[in-house]
Amino acid sequence: DAKTTQPPSMDCAEGRAANLPCNHSTISGNEYVYWYRQIHSQGPQYIIHGLKNNETNEMASLIITEDRKSSTLILPHATLRDTAVYYCIVVNFGNEKLTFGTGTRLTIIP
Amino acid sequence: GAVVSQHPSWVICKSGTSVKIECRSLDFQATTMFWYRQFPKQSLMLMATSNEGSKATYEQGVEKDKFLINHASLTLSTLTVTSAHPEDSSFYICSATRLAETREQYFGPGTRLTVT
Repeated sequence: DAKTTQPPSMDCAEGRAANLPCNHSTISGNEYVYWYRQIHSQGPQYIIHGLKNNETNEMASLIITEDRKSSTLILPHATLRDTAVYYCIVVNFGNEKLTFGTGTRLTIIP
Repeated sequence: GAVVSQHPSWVICKSGTSVKIECRSLDFQATTMFWYRQFPKQSLMLMATSNEGSKATYEQGVEKDKFLINHASLTLSTLTVTSAHPEDSSFYICSATRLAETREQYFGPGTRLTVT
């Protein structure tokens, strides 16, 4: 599976949009981009995933560049409960295994 | 829907004893269950993948005789840490994928194991 690169930490003011970048320059055509988050001492939570089109759900939006080498997760109106470690993971179609990197520790500032 | 539970949520055991951790999919049938381990301030590391009725597939470096995995039904997988030692102290997390929907993994809340 393609490796991903994320900034180790970010801060965002409460109520503002949080934009979390992820680089996956070696992604191949049959690999999806998945985002999970882990709040302290809990199991990870699925957020969103995409292949090449932008995606939106009730939690977030996922913007994937046209060349698919990077993506951005957008939390439109961050709240204190969004403080967590966010993981960007590239997953091969047909392979269910997730390889977690170090993620981005997002801190929402009141 | 798609709730995964783990039991116990935390356990303390003495060195040399065995501990069993249960992972259940409460409202769906799971084709595959995964077991992860997470040490403090580190990321999750996949230990093994299990499918109902078949032997688990262990990741490189994970001792299958030490971490026994049983996946007896489509809603239950168990991880037994045999002859536990202090270095086995960790946060153990399971996840499951739904039958006919294998993209997302639904994670349990985790089990904190402390071996004294």
